[in-house]
Amino acid sequence: DTGVSQDPRHKITKRGQNVTFRCDPISEHNRLYWYRQTLGQGPEFLTYFQNEAQLEKSRLLSDRFSAERPKGSFSTLEIQRTEQGDSAMYLCASSPEGRVAFFGQGTRLTVV
Amino acid sequence: RKEVEQDPGPFNVPEGATVAFNCTYSNSASQSFFWYRQDCRKEPKLLMSVYSSGNEDGRFTAQLNRASQYISLLIRDSKLSDSATYLCVVNHYGGSQGNLIFGKGTKLSVKP
Repeated sequence: DTGVSQDPRHKITKRGQNVTFRCDPISEHNRLYWYRQTLGQGPEFLTYFQNEAQLEKSRLLSDRFSAERPKGSFSTLEIQRTEQGDSAMYLCASSPEGRVAFFGQGTRLTVV
Repeated sequence: RKEVEQDPGPFNVPEGATVAFNCTYSNSASQSFFWYRQDCRKEPKLLMSVYSSGNEDGRFTAQLNRASQYISLLIRDSKLSDSATYLCVVNHYGGSQGNLIFGKGTKLSVKP
């Protein structure tokens, strides 16, 4: 499968725990995006990378959130000290230089 | 004002109906425009790009009015399988904004 891959698909964690999600983009795509989506809302932009450089972060991305893309390939999104309000679908997408973006199936996070 | 605003929906239409969705965007520097479709609990998938001259793909027609900062999607001869949420997406090229901004989406339900 050469599409965008996200892992895990589902994560249940206790409040206060740290979680890390992984995204493997389509191999030739230099842009990688992270979004968060809650029920009834469109995807909300969190951050994006061009190769290994993190070019923009939303103010939604609090200090508890950090994203990396160390070699310009896969990316990780870490949430520290999770809160119930972090429960959402976390979507990763990749694109060739800001054109059409292709999404992974997402990681559904539930904080209990 | 939100960067991308869409008709609130939901739209409930009978099979065979024609339905139109509207979207406005606030940033006049926006360069690329798309309609994505999202099925329940699935990731967004590209439906079509939107070009300045307007474009058509089968039963779907997209229009862009840069002067009014307005995008539309027309679906003719609605099918049951068209039931989904339709997301208007705007991309800024260059500068500090290279991310994709999504509207909240408009839910379409096509009934027999």
